[in-house]
Amino acid sequence: AQSVTQLGSHVSVSEGALVLLRCNYSSSVPPYLFWYVQYPNQGLQLLLKYTSAATLVKGINGFEAEFKKSETSFHLTKPSAHMSDAAEYFCAVSDRSGGYNKLIFGAGTRLAVHP
Amino acid sequence: DTEVTQTPKHLVMGMTNKKSLKCEQHMGHRAMYWYKQKAKKPPELMFVYSYEKLSINESVPSRFSPECPNSSLLNLHLHALQPEDSALYLCASSQDWTSGGETQYFGPGTRLLVL
Repeated sequence: AQSVTQLGSHVSVSEGALVLLRCNYSSSVPPYLFWYVQYPNQGLQLLLKYTSAATLVKGINGFEAEFKKSETSFHLTKPSAHMSDAAEYFCAVSDRSGGYNKLIFGAGTRLAVHP
Repeated sequence: DTEVTQTPKHLVMGMTNKKSLKCEQHMGHRAMYWYKQKAKKPPELMFVYSYEKLSINESVPSRFSPECPNSSLLNLHLHALQPEDSALYLCASSQDWTSGGETQYFGPGTRLLVL
């Protein structure tokens, strides 16, 4: 079965600093990987997804993620944090082992941005 | 348009009440999902409908009853809930259910409180 591990349940950065949110996956087949963001009291919004077309994936709001097969990682980065980036971030892998497309989520990382 | 709408936004109900949650999408998606999300946790899959038929029930108690009247609409009927069922209920949709890498688009959720 596929799984996702997000290292660090809380990450705190200063406004303008680099954002790095870590995600490692376990998959026996080439994975489809996703990053979603959830702002307080809202649903999940897709930031970006990896579908094997390119290892560096650019998403919305200045975020990007790099797929590294050798490290089984899909870390999310943003060069300069804004206050509005404060939210919960979920990494997810598409699990096709059951013959259907089920999203397996990591535990989430709460990003805090301080002035 | 990648919008999934959910009503109501908030719902308070007693343990003997019957209520329904509604979800709608007009993206022509053929797969629709219900998730349950407890505070500070990732979403947990409850049900999947594919082409208006129930494809997956993740061992959800019978006090939750899903319904898919047509390809755009998904309901979740609630009856005799317990306080531990209080959570954010998220609806999502995707183009397909069986293909890998399909993006799931989430609604804003219904925050349910069971007294």
